[in-house]
Amino acid sequence: EVQLVESGGGLVRPGGSLRLSCGASGSTFTNAWMTWVRQAPGKGLEWVGRIKSKIDGGTTDYAAPVKGRFTISRDDSKNTLYLQMNSLKTEDTAVYYCATANLYYDPYFFHYWGQGTLVTVSS
Amino acid sequence: NFMLTQPHSVSGSPGKTVTISCTRSSGSIASNYVQWYQQRPGSAPTTVIYEDNQRPSGVPDRFSGSINSSSNSASLTISGLKTEDEADYYCQSYDSSNQDVVFGGGTKLTV
Repeated sequence: EVQLVESGGGLVRPGGSLRLSCGASGSTFTNAWMTWVRQAPGKGLEWVGRIKSKIDGGTTDYAAPVKGRFTISRDDSKNTLYLQMNSLKTEDTAVYYCATANLYYDPYFFHYWGQGTLVTVSS
Repeated sequence: NFMLTQPHSVSGSPGKTVTISCTRSSGSIASNYVQWYQQRPGSAPTTVIYEDNQRPSGVPDRFSGSINSSSNSASLTISGLKTEDEADYYCQSYDSSNQDVVFGGGTKLTV
């Protein structure tokens, strides 16, 4: 069983930056594709982006609304996933979840989720 | 990317059956698996159906999933409704061309 714990959320001014972290338990982190999903208040789930495992190339992919502003990285030695958010906009206000798949299944689907961390972008 | 369209809301009485649809806008619904999540207020999503029609352990057999190629849609059916089933439900798939993940807009189930 994988447990994910996000941290780093808070209040930030438009145009500002914030870095979120997601700590993972278990020995499978190294082989896992890790994903960020967000949910604006009262809205649905929105895929933010993903980083593949290093064995699968370690590449990143991003949703159009965040491309060029957000950067996903990972530190396998610390079992930690990061989301660096720059040039934040009010529409980035959301609960941010990290999520990952069970390694026996397609990495595009999520079986493990963190509890989420709230990011509020407001002046 | 294609879109997955769900009804905004559905409702049903305890003991009855409801079905939530998830229609793919382009490309075949059968080309990639569909997964369904349940999300209760203030909580993270949990999986109720994976690989179109498989139930994780711990999910009651009242939950079932299917795909229909003629309507290009996936469906989540909940039978024997219980008040605890009241939640938001999301379908999800991915785009093979760029590996982007796609979520449906979500359906609020009222029991």
